[in-house]
Amino acid sequence: GAVVSQHPSRVICKSGTSVKIECRSLDFQATTMFWYRQFPKQSLMLMATSNEGSKATYEQGVEKDKFLINHASLTLSTLTVTSAHPEDSSFYICSGQTSRGPYEQYFGPGTRLTVT
Amino acid sequence: GQNIDQPTEMTATEGAIVQINCTYQTSGFNGLFWYQQHAGEAPTFLSYNVLDGLEEKGRFSSFLSRSKGYSYLLLKELQMKDSASYLCAVRDPDNTDKLIFGTGTRLQVFP
Repeated sequence: GAVVSQHPSRVICKSGTSVKIECRSLDFQATTMFWYRQFPKQSLMLMATSNEGSKATYEQGVEKDKFLINHASLTLSTLTVTSAHPEDSSFYICSGQTSRGPYEQYFGPGTRLTVT
Repeated sequence: GQNIDQPTEMTATEGAIVQINCTYQTSGFNGLFWYQQHAGEAPTFLSYNVLDGLEEKGRFSSFLSRSKGYSYLLLKELQMKDSASYLCAVRDPDNTDKLIFGTGTRLQVFP
């Protein structure tokens, strides 16, 4: 099956700093990638849709200036959490969508962000 | 708006069969997915239904009734490793690239 990697898997940062998370599709090209966040015991909440070569589309309530998304190639998308605060601590998961039916999303292993 | 409902938690015994239900109310329908997620890990794809009926894949089967807005995931011969959250997701009818996830059902399998 299609494989998506994320780096780092865990990161701890101080309040006010920025953190970059990478999402890579390893064996397929993902014209569309998605970024989710997940709080403990809750489901995935879509933050933004990232299309290669264009600006990301953010969901309502997600600050685009705080969560910067770049999708520079068909295999790489990055999420940068700027000026992180403790409330940004969460599990961030990316997914890549295949270009063939049924166009399911393949998820990365997630990044656990802790802001102190 | 779009809404997906699943039971929050379920328990079952090793070797048994369990059915996890999912109901959805959406303005349109373009397919339903089931994912399995172990704690602290990413969701993994289990099944996809777009037509009515049962899709069987080993110990796991998924059923869809579009007229009832209803799906279930059936897990047979339960194993301890099946303890996980099971997420039901439908394509957003306004943007079929996007998935709308239910809250997930946490299944605990006991020996």
